[in-house]
Amino acid sequence: GPKVLQIPSHQIIDMGQMVTLNCDPVSNHLYFYWYKQILGQQMEFLVNFYNGKVMEKSKLFKDQFSVERPDGSYFTLKIQPTALEDSAVYFCASSSGHSGNTLYFGEGSRLIVV
Amino acid sequence: QQKVQQSPESLTVSEGAMASLNCTFSDGTSNNFRWYRQHSAKGLEVLVSIFSDGEKEEGRFTAHLNRANLHVSLHIREPQPSDSAVYLCAVSPITGNTGKLIFGLGTTLQVQP
Repeated sequence: GPKVLQIPSHQIIDMGQMVTLNCDPVSNHLYFYWYKQILGQQMEFLVNFYNGKVMEKSKLFKDQFSVERPDGSYFTLKIQPTALEDSAVYFCASSSGHSGNTLYFGEGSRLIVV
Repeated sequence: QQKVQQSPESLTVSEGAMASLNCTFSDGTSNNFRWYRQHSAKGLEVLVSIFSDGEKEEGRFTAHLNRANLHVSLHIREPQPSDSAVYLCAVSPITGNTGKLIFGLGTTLQVQP
């Protein structure tokens, strides 16, 4: 099936530092998403992004979070500064449309903040 | 806000025996339900999408949706050890459908040879 690639697969970072998680979505997809999964908890929506703008964000999408997708490059999630509670697996997803369209997920980026 | 719960938390079946997983949700006006599975340390793989009451089959995977009963199930025919994974139910919220999904906690399926 369609592939979403995420880089890095895992990263350990000191609290307070900045981290950027990269996502290469499915070619020709227009809608992009980030989800967060803390170990043992359900996967939760963070943000979705279309046409260069955030369409919707959850309360988990703190002020320290930002997303962008410069033309022809990765869809990124940046956290600056990081906090201990940001430790989680972050999943990127993409879809060709929004209503009724399937979201395709990457394998996740495991972030550990120490 | 739509709430999604899955049962059982874990399930062990023998190879070849039907596996049945359950998902309940809090608001029946959603019309977008999906089953994903997640192998250990891997991404999510979509199995079945269902948008109206009734049954939808994709290979060995069949989803049954009954919105009046706030219930959607997944049945796996002739499961194999390679089907061992965490199965996630995902529901779109009712209002402002921007592609956001609300997930359950998952059912861990173990298929024994």
